[in-house]
Amino acid sequence: DTAVSQTPKYLVTQMGNDKSIKCEQNLGHDTMYWYKQDSKKFLKIMFSYNNKELIINETVPNRFSPKSPDKAHLNLHINSLELGDSAVYFCASSLKGGKETQYFGPGTRLLVL
Amino acid sequence: GQNIDQPTEMTATEGAIVQINCTYQTSGFNGLFWYQQHAGEAPTFLSYNVLDGLEEKGRFSSFLSRSKGYSYLLLKELQMKDSASYLCAVREGFQKLVFGTGTRLLVSP
Repeated sequence: DTAVSQTPKYLVTQMGNDKSIKCEQNLGHDTMYWYKQDSKKFLKIMFSYNNKELIINETVPNRFSPKSPDKAHLNLHINSLELGDSAVYFCASSLKGGKETQYFGPGTRLLVL
Repeated sequence: GQNIDQPTEMTATEGAIVQINCTYQTSGFNGLFWYQQHAGEAPTFLSYNVLDGLEEKGRFSSFLSRSKGYSYLLLKELQMKDSASYLCAVREGFQKLVFGTGTRLLVSP
């Protein structure tokens, strides 16, 4: 199946822990994104990478560090997790520029206790 | 920055027509998207407008007026499966999407 995939789908962890979320797309897209959707369902961009280069970084705490080993993968590492980090994290991808649509992964539901 | 407003919730009856409005204020506009998101699922693309006017795609249509900072999504012949959240998103620059808070639509029999 051609798609954007994320692992894990669910993540429950304690405050202070470090965790990673992985994202892969096999759509041949150049650009990948991380979004956070809070409890009020507000979807907000965090980061965007184009061909492994960071192009958008939206005032996200330094505890969040994205890494793109190649243009098909974009991982998100979170250090020292806090209660407020609990949310659904969506990965997305698109072709570069123009009117290209972003395609979203299934989401990772993170709960910090 | 961007300010994007949508109604929080709407209800409609199966078979009816519903219009979901979106108003935006932006310092840079490069297109407007509508996404559908069912509960517990990922947003999926519905429509894209960059020029003024109406874009029709089956039961769904989207309208844009750039001078008024206004768009709407029109859903015709509503079905139960259309119960979902509808997200308006404005593109700033080439790749940054700024989303509204979404409109939750409930379709009843």
